[in-house]
Amino acid sequence: DSGVTQTPKHLITATGQRVTLRCSPRSGDLSVYWYQQSLDQGLQFLIQYYNGEERAKGNILERFSAQQFPDLHSELNLSSLELGDSALYFCASSVTGLAGVTYNEQFFGPGTRLTVL
Amino acid sequence: GIQVEQSPPDLILQEGANSTLRCNFSDSVNNLQWFHQNPWGQLINLFYIPSGTKQNGRLSATTVATERYSLLYISSSQTTDSGVYFCAVVRQAGTALIFGKGTTLSVSS
Repeated sequence: DSGVTQTPKHLITATGQRVTLRCSPRSGDLSVYWYQQSLDQGLQFLIQYYNGEERAKGNILERFSAQQFPDLHSELNLSSLELGDSALYFCASSVTGLAGVTYNEQFFGPGTRLTVL
Repeated sequence: GIQVEQSPPDLILQEGANSTLRCNFSDSVNNLQWFHQNPWGQLINLFYIPSGTKQNGRLSATTVATERYSLLYISSSQTTDSGVYFCAVVRQAGTALIFGKGTTLSVSS
């Protein structure tokens, strides 16, 4: 158990719908990262938050958004869903996202498997 | 951006065999991690190894940062070792991981 929790574990929905994925980082971790794993694209970084603020964006679609709340949990919102959004979505956390810090191991949650029909 | 290449893409072993998985990266990195993705999809941390050698039971890893590669050794493999092994690097501290495509390992009894 990594200490990172994600809900729900599975989500089945229809095209055009909107869903919210939730992540709670390990106790004490300030940075949250969202990754998407699909068969054709592999594991890709979507977005990072540090202590409530957006820190970096990766290959995140405009239909997707995220936020990190004062208690440090994070939510990833996916809207106008398409078949191609079906994937495993991971959240990861690390102690800090600050440059110059030497230790920044990332720990992953169990993932949310999204199926868009 | 930085490229991460893993080899071999697939590996089939008999229980008890040893194996070496390789990860090459195209630029200097701040951090390197090895993960095992089990058949249930969970990503399990194996090693945090920006440089040097570490061992954990039957697994060990070596990263030679100056030559831009890392090796994961699995000895006396077991069926529970099956799954996908990912190498991932961080270009700068505090930034996101960049993953390789993985090595799929199948261990049969």
